[in-house]
Amino acid sequence: QKEVEQNSGPLSVPEGAIASLNCTYSDRGSQSFFWYRQYSGKSPELIMSIYSNGDKEDGRFTAQLNKASQYVSLLIRDSQPSDSATYLCASNFEYNFNKFYFGSGTKLNVKP
Amino acid sequence: DAGVTQSPTHLIKTRGQQVTLRCSPKSGHDTVSWYQQALGQGPQFIFQYYEEEERQRGNFPDRFSGHQFPNYSSELNVNALLLGDSALYLCASSLGTLHTEAFFGQGTRLTVV
Repeated sequence: QKEVEQNSGPLSVPEGAIASLNCTYSDRGSQSFFWYRQYSGKSPELIMSIYSNGDKEDGRFTAQLNKASQYVSLLIRDSQPSDSATYLCASNFEYNFNKFYFGSGTKLNVKP
Repeated sequence: DAGVTQSPTHLIKTRGQQVTLRCSPKSGHDTVSWYQQALGQGPQFIFQYYEEEERQRGNFPDRFSGHQFPNYSSELNVNALLLGDSALYLCASSLGTLHTEAFFGQGTRLTVV
């Protein structure tokens, strides 16, 4: 069974703090990982992609991948109320196809 | 640069009816995938189209079918609608089929009554 697991939250952080979102996956053969942000009633918006072990930074966002532990995380620095949304972790378990498996998402609340 | 566009945005259908949803991929993209997202859940993969063929399929019954046109746009058809088909249907476009980033359209909210 190929699965992506996320804590549903909600995760509450004060404005300006670092928000840490975590995701685990079941298949060691996973090749690529993605974080999407989804506002209520809207479609998912791609934030970050990560393919190799280590950290990848883009502005206030840092994605971290540890394939040995089958663990992906997203750090949001200087969190803003506008970051309040559900964050979806996705993995492509298939070598030859872009078939994404999504977690159920973690709801983040950033309090002013 | 037009992003992924889907139509219609909202739809209400009666149980047993058939529905067709449409998607135009992002400019330059040639691969379209369809996902179903139930309330409070992550998107679930339905199928993927590349070069006008269905390349991969998720765990959805044959009532769900699709098509891709030469201009890369795609349709999702659902026959014999059930109440449980009520969901947000998302189209994702990408370039090629190998580990590339996928971008979602705004979705079609389908309600079956």
